Amino acid sequence: KNEVEQSPQNLTAQEGEFITINCSYSVGISALHWLQQHPGGGIVSLFMLSSGKKKHGRLIATINIQEKHSSLHITASHPRDSAVYICAVPFGNQFYFGTGTSLTVIP
Amino acid sequence: SQTIHQWPATLVQPVGSPLSLECTVEGTSNPNLYWYRQAAGRGLQLLFYSVGIGQISSEVPQNLSASRPQDRQFILSSKKLLLSDSGFYLCAWSVGLGTDTQYFGPGTRLTVL
Repeated sequence: KNEVEQSPQNLTAQEGEFITINCSYSVGISALHWLQQHPGGGIVSLFMLSSGKKKHGRLIATINIQEKHSSLHITASHPRDSAVYICAVPFGNQFYFGTGTSLTVIP
Repeated sequence: SQTIHQWPATLVQPVGSPLSLECTVEGTSNPNLYWYRQAAGRGLQLLFYSVGIGQISSEVPQNLSASRPQDRQFILSSKKLLLSDSGFYLCAWSVGLGTDTQYFGPGTRLTVL
């Protein structure tokens, strides 16, 4: 049983397209993280959110705590957005991670 | 500003050999420290976290151990590596547990042959 489910697993988009990645979780949480893993392996924290919406540049993250669902949107996608996007939920002292969404943006 | 270092970047070790991976953080005091592993084709898994010197919590039973001899130093070790220990190991730090942003190191790619 996976506490965190992401969809889609793989996503290919044309440059400029609007992209949505979804994350559903089964545990009660107070916050959720979105991470970006570059092809070389390095991981960057994109967002930590506990309610509503956050925006950073072309990235937007939303969360609905009642529905246990979060989405990551990328507007005007660019090839440099190609990466694996991972959602993670802290639960107690543990972290549950989604298996990631591999995004490829084609020029 | 804060930075986090990991070394080595890559490592190839034979089965049964020992392991020591080091992580250091600069520019912050008393950080929470984490060790993660990402096996090939699989998601991130939290291995250990530490809230202070000498305080280590393990999340999964395994062949590895962790130590925190200094405030900003976190070490991942094994006495005898297994094939299943191969993977990408990431160190991270945060100010608070769970609901705080985590900052990840560059990672160590370990291959056990």
